[in-house]
Amino acid sequence: ETGVTQTPRHLVMGMTNKKSLKCEQHLGHNAMYWYKQSAKKPLELMFVYNFKEQTENNSVPSRFSPECPNSSHLFLHLHTLQPEDSALYLCASSQEPTYEQYFGPGTRLTVT
Amino acid sequence: QKEVEQDPGPLSVPEGAIVSLNCTYSNSAFQYFMWYRQYSRKGPELLMYTYSSGNKEDGRFTAQVDKSSKYISLFIRDSQPSDSATYLCALDWAAGGTSYGKLTFGQGTILTVHP
Repeated sequence: ETGVTQTPRHLVMGMTNKKSLKCEQHLGHNAMYWYKQSAKKPLELMFVYNFKEQTENNSVPSRFSPECPNSSHLFLHLHTLQPEDSALYLCASSQEPTYEQYFGPGTRLTVT
Repeated sequence: QKEVEQDPGPLSVPEGAIVSLNCTYSNSAFQYFMWYRQYSRKGPELLMYTYSSGNKEDGRFTAQVDKSSKYISLFIRDSQPSDSATYLCALDWAAGGTSYGKLTFGQGTILTVHP
């Protein structure tokens, strides 16, 4: 079992809703990541945080708003999403920004 | 052109077969080459990594990197039903040998090993 948890595991939301995804890591890591995994597409890096500071925004639309209050917690705030935003959203962490990343199980998001 | 190309399969093999999975990439700046394994309803987990070129072996798994051809491979010997999963290649930049942690993934290959 990994030390990265994500809640909720499943989420259905309308295009006008506002919701948040939560990620928590119990590994003592300093870097955290958000990825998007869509059907028939590669896993796509969205955001990187290192010591609570955002170091990477991979041209993500502003309807996705990340928040990292401390090195153990990462949120992804969602508002006015589109149906094409439906995907599996994965959180990961690592000791520092590096190739060895530990992933959570993901949140399956459906936008109706 | 995609940065990383990986045949999504699906690939179905009998137990005990040798499995060959591969990716090609276009950007020669990549220095770290990883294989992640993702079981159904789970997040990916790091299986193996290679820095720069060469081979690396870990039990039944062998990773190969050919930077001149921009081609990476993962071989699984004596495949088992428990190896059934999606295998994702991932590549990363590096500076002075230090990985950036900004992974670029292939689409993933779905592998089924049947008894």
